Amino acid sequence: GQNIDQPTEMTATEGAIVQINCTYQTSGFNGLFWYQQHAGEAPTFLSYNVLDGLEEKGRFSSFLSRSKGYSYLLLKELQMKDSASYLCAVRDPYGQNFVFGPGTRLSVLP
Amino acid sequence: EPEVTQTPSHQVTQMGQEVILRCVPISNHLYFYWYRQILGQKVEFLVSFYNNEISEKSEIFDDQFSVERPDGSNFTLKIRSTKLEDSAMYFCASQGGTGQFFGPGTRLTVL
Repeated sequence: GQNIDQPTEMTATEGAIVQINCTYQTSGFNGLFWYQQHAGEAPTFLSYNVLDGLEEKGRFSSFLSRSKGYSYLLLKELQMKDSASYLCAVRDPYGQNFVFGPGTRLSVLP
Repeated sequence: EPEVTQTPSHQVTQMGQEVILRCVPISNHLYFYWYRQILGQKVEFLVSFYNNEISEKSEIFDDQFSVERPDGSNFTLKIRSTKLEDSAMYFCASQGGTGQFFGPGTRLTVL
């Protein structure tokens, strides 16, 4: 089976740092993807991890530990426009099936 | 910058009618996907497509659904006989390198 968990909601202050966690239990693994989704819009690809460790991309970083079934997305220097849902998705190794988590709704306050 | 496009942006149909949702993936990408997102719920995988055939499909993708790549650029999702519960946003996505890129979506409303 496939199960992906994320916190439902988070709140942070403009200029701060926030870490959004994702845990997964899946029957196989071939990469973990993070997306940003503003209300009423399509998901936007942020990052991808297939090996353990940290991937940095400007203000966004994503970390993966395959042995722990755990990933996080780190957002630095938060801006108001970062208020959105952040979706974690796992790709299975057998085909191209992506399983999405429920998303974490982040609110950035002034 | 290349992007995935989808038409129409909004489709309203009567229950039992057939609909075709259209997508133009990014031209040098090889993997294509359809997802749906019911309002307020998570993104759900429907089907993946590679080398002109279905690579994988979910339980949602039953006999009422079909996909086609009728020419070198378009990628379509057909729902043969729509049901009320098919009302959702339908996203097309294409993948190249390590990134997966979504189109803006088609909002399907079944009355």
